[in-house]
Amino acid sequence: EAQVTQNPRYLITVTGKKLTVTCSQNMNHEYMSWYRQDPGLGLRQIYYSMNVEVTDKGDVPEGYKVSRKEKRNFPLILESPSPNQTSLYFCASSFRSGGREKLFFGSGTQLSVL
Amino acid sequence: QQQVKQSPQSLIVQKGGISIINCAYENTAFDYFPWYQQFPGKGPALLIAIRPDVSEKKEGRFTISFNKSAKQFSLHIMDSQPGDSATYFCAPPTGGFKTIFGAGTRLFVKA
Repeated sequence: EAQVTQNPRYLITVTGKKLTVTCSQNMNHEYMSWYRQDPGLGLRQIYYSMNVEVTDKGDVPEGYKVSRKEKRNFPLILESPSPNQTSLYFCASSFRSGGREKLFFGSGTQLSVL
Repeated sequence: QQQVKQSPQSLIVQKGGISIINCAYENTAFDYFPWYQQFPGKGPALLIAIRPDVSEKKEGRFTISFNKSAKQFSLHIMDSQPGDSATYFCAPPTGGFKTIFGAGTRLFVKA
């Protein structure tokens, strides 16, 4: 089954404790991206990747890191989480970049930073 | 940064009515215009999309139409049902590698 898998589904942490949210897709997509969803602000892109070892900033990259060492995986790293990073996070993938093809989304990770 | 203006923010429609959601964009590139549907606790999923060779596309009760001169595309949900209650996002092409979504429209269909 074609899917994007995110883990964990829920995460509660404390300020400053490094964390990683994993994302994996099984569709051989070149494009992967991370979004955060906040009430009234919709989906905002954090980082995206056009292919292995090729990443770039989205609209809200501050406080986040990503890596793309393999085509299927695109982890999101918060080196020193802060309460303003409490949000619902989604990973997505598609064959082409820039919204030119259907995006497949994961089920989301609800992060709370205390 | 490209602006995407989605309206309305929220919408309440009676069962059987028509729901209309609009998306205005800036970029002149017309490549692919999708609408995504998101239910609570789920990730967004593609609902319907249109490509430049047509100005309107219909899939069941859902129709997407495009007004190139106004740089606007719209989602119409005919015979709206309570099961259509969800948040809807447009994501017009940016002409680059980013993906930008509208702020979303929360639709509630009253039974």
